[in-house]
Amino acid sequence: GAVVSQHPSRVICKSGTSVKIECRSLDFQATTMFWYRQFPKQSLMLMATSNEGSKATYEQGVEKDKFLINHASLTLSTLTVTSAHPEDSSFYICSASLLSPDTQYFGPGTRLTVL
Amino acid sequence: QQQVKQSPQSLIVQKGGISIINCAYENTAFDYFPWYQQFPGKGPALLIAIRPDVSEKKEGRFTISFNKSAKQFSLHIMDSQPGDSATYFCAASRGAGSYQLTFGKGTKLSVIP
Repeated sequence: GAVVSQHPSRVICKSGTSVKIECRSLDFQATTMFWYRQFPKQSLMLMATSNEGSKATYEQGVEKDKFLINHASLTLSTLTVTSAHPEDSSFYICSASLLSPDTQYFGPGTRLTVL
Repeated sequence: QQQVKQSPQSLIVQKGGISIINCAYENTAFDYFPWYQQFPGKGPALLIAIRPDVSEKKEGRFTISFNKSAKQFSLHIMDSQPGDSATYFCAASRGAGSYQLTFGKGTKLSVIP
């Protein structure tokens, strides 16, 4: 099946620093990638949708200057949390969409802890 | 406004029993309904998905039942096993892949021996 990887799986950083999370589709080219945020025992909240070579589309309430998304190729998207604060601590999950069969495949997630 | 309502929030089932999770949606433009399984600390994994042109889809022990007129769909896990203990999310979208998924709030399933 289609495999999506994320790196790093876990990151701890100090308040005020920036953190970059990578999302890769390993065995397919993804037309679209999505970034989600999940708080403990809660559902996934869509943060943004990105297509290769285009600017990401952010959901209402998500600060685009804080959560920078770059979709440089059909297999790589990055999420950079800028000037991270403790309230940004969360589980960040990406997904990549495959045209045939068309569905979304999720990465394993990245646990971000901001001290 | 929550567009996909999922119930129950938690479910305890005896090993070998049937686990049933229900979802209801409001947006009639939805035409793709996947179910995801998530273990703690992991990303969701696609279990099974259905489109409105069929009323039921079965893959192994997992079955989706779909009622278009009632705008409801459900996941049935037959012969539930302790390894099925996880959180299950239903979702809906206007079209698979490139369209955004709207998730239910999740059901934590515990299968006890």
